[in-house]
Amino acid sequence: GAGVSQSPSNKVTEKGKDVELRCDPISGHTALYWYRQSLGQGLEFLIYFQGNSAPDKSGLPSDRFSAERTGGSVSTLTIQRTQQEDSAVYLCASSLGAESHNEQFFGPGTRLTVL
Amino acid sequence: GQNIDQPTEMTATEGAIVQINCTYQTSGFNGLFWYQQHAGEAPTFLSYNVLDGLEEKGRFSSFLSRSKGYSYLLLKELQMKDSASYLCAVSPGGGNKLTFGTGTQLKVEL
Repeated sequence: GAGVSQSPSNKVTEKGKDVELRCDPISGHTALYWYRQSLGQGLEFLIYFQGNSAPDKSGLPSDRFSAERTGGSVSTLTIQRTQQEDSAVYLCASSLGAESHNEQFFGPGTRLTVL
Repeated sequence: GQNIDQPTEMTATEGAIVQINCTYQTSGFNGLFWYQQHAGEAPTFLSYNVLDGLEEKGRFSSFLSRSKGYSYLLLKELQMKDSASYLCAVSPGGGNKLTFGTGTQLKVEL
């Protein structure tokens, strides 16, 4: 079956511009997670959704970052007024539920480069 | 705070056995995951441990000691395709957001 998909796969933008990153989770998965992977760093948690609600936004680095999820499915991560330090691979993952034993399935990521 | 440590790089020979260690200090613990990530690709699930002991799955095994804050991933009969980054991640609890180590880059040589 279809896995987690993300678009675009690559995004190059200029400093100060806004970007939107999209994630399509596996059908039926109620939990959705956003992570960021910077060069030489481990995956860093940003935010997670249970259904359309975001119980934990603690990983968002600043108020320039926001995310929403609609219809319990697609999620969009928006970065406003991008900065060079925002350059990273943004990974989305989904799981059947948010219980600890649930495996998270990752998408291929969006590589964001801010010039 | 959360801290997960694993070696940065390891090299092993095709057909051999390699053990990748992970130590963690987290504010809570609801399980430990190992993921494999090939360059430029998505991480893929390898194993999940929540109780102490060894979990075996084919050529891969994972061990957990909660009292020691320690886990290892054991790869047997290494193949060239096992060259990848291996990520140790802990679920501290509360929604299963994962805290990851920086990953161990494994290189399998002939």
